[in-house]
Amino acid sequence: EPEVTQTPSHQVTQMGQEVILRCVPISNHLYFYWYRQILGQKVEFLVSFYNNEISEKSEIFDDQFSVERPDGSNFTLKIRSTKLEDSAMYFCASKLEYEQYFGPGTRLTVT
Amino acid sequence: KNEVEQSPQNLTAQEGEFITINCSYSVGISALHWLQQHPGGGIVSLFMLSSGKKKHGRLIATINIQEKHSSLHITASHPRDSAVYICAVSPGYGGSEKLVFGKGTKLTVNP
Repeated sequence: EPEVTQTPSHQVTQMGQEVILRCVPISNHLYFYWYRQILGQKVEFLVSFYNNEISEKSEIFDDQFSVERPDGSNFTLKIRSTKLEDSAMYFCASKLEYEQYFGPGTRLTVT
Repeated sequence: KNEVEQSPQNLTAQEGEFITINCSYSVGISALHWLQQHPGGGIVSLFMLSSGKKKHGRLIATINIQEKHSSLHITASHPRDSAVYICAVSPGYGGSEKLVFGKGTKLTVNP
């Protein structure tokens, strides 16, 4: 069964460093999403991407964040200058029409 | 104010018990989702509902659109059902169909 994959599973970085989180959505899906979950809190929407552009973004998704779909298979989330409060689990999701399928997540720890 | 409220926050049951988790939402929606999150963090979609009732194995999900309320039932609960169950909605304003999440209900089923 096709699945969404994410790499790395765990990323540790120092404050101020750039990180790129990678996702490979299910191949025929059209809509792509990033969510994050700070430890002990609910999952929050960051950004959605459709037809090679951002379709919606949340207040969290400020100028420090960017997304790309560089080659038709990968979907990346870049954080330019990480802050301590960016420490969270980041989930990628994709959908074809109705149901979103989630990746296993990348745990980002900013020290 | 949270757009999606779940109750209870925590639930402990004995194996075999009938479980009910409730979800109320305050916004117009195009669909409501029930998701399961295991301790490792991965999120799995259980149901997507826009009306009525759906059943999958021992899981049943219902939604009342007029009352803005949904329930997830687990019949004959088993320790392997122990997980966090999350209610999420797709706000119905025609955007990217992002998901807005509740805080989750942590279910523990003891043998």
